[in-house]
Amino acid sequence: NAGVTQTPKFQVLKTGQSMTLQCAQDMNHNSMYWYRQDPGMGLRLIYYSASEGTTDKGEVPNGYNVSRLNKREFSLRLESAAPSQTSVYFCASRETGNTGELFFGEGSRLTVL
Amino acid sequence: AQSVTQLGSHVSVSEGALVLLRCNYSSSVPPYLFWYVQYPNQGLQLLLKYTTGATLVKGINGFEAEFKKSETSFHLTKPSAHMSDAAEYFCAVTHTGRRALTFGSGTRLQVQP
Repeated sequence: NAGVTQTPKFQVLKTGQSMTLQCAQDMNHNSMYWYRQDPGMGLRLIYYSASEGTTDKGEVPNGYNVSRLNKREFSLRLESAAPSQTSVYFCASRETGNTGELFFGEGSRLTVL
Repeated sequence: AQSVTQLGSHVSVSEGALVLLRCNYSSSVPPYLFWYVQYPNQGLQLLLKYTTGATLVKGINGFEAEFKKSETSFHLTKPSAHMSDAAEYFCAVTHTGRRALTFGSGTRLQVQP
């Protein structure tokens, strides 16, 4: 039972470099999310995808792009990394609807120097 | 707009003592409320949720929470703390028609022997 799988788990970048965080879920969920977690700020939504082929901005989308490659996969791209993007990134998924549980990956810790 | 306030970024209790973690929400429509727990270096796991019906909700590991509409609160309690309860706890809110959860800033629970 893999659930939600994120790669890589750790990454160090230099300012201006680009990278993609990968996320895959095996629960046949329609909705997928990317959050970032920073100390004292909880989790903030970056982007989400309500279904395959759709993506929407969350509260902190600047500096990020996403791709819903298929129903299973939802990637997050940093085109030109900045130190302010140093954070722990979580991918999550859930079934369609508002009352369902969010299932989280284990997180990707990104440091931008 | 919805928001969640968790009072107390750090709470320390003795083993066997009552655990009380506070959560107040702001929502103009009936909310759906969640508590998640995060153990070190892991993703978030659902503890319990309130959608409709009974306002006292029981979750895993002996935790429960009560939805109080008049107080706009959803505080998390456990009668007797265990060392294994040491973790960070997040309250979250959403509602019908909204696709994502809004999280509070989190409360780190320490359990002293």
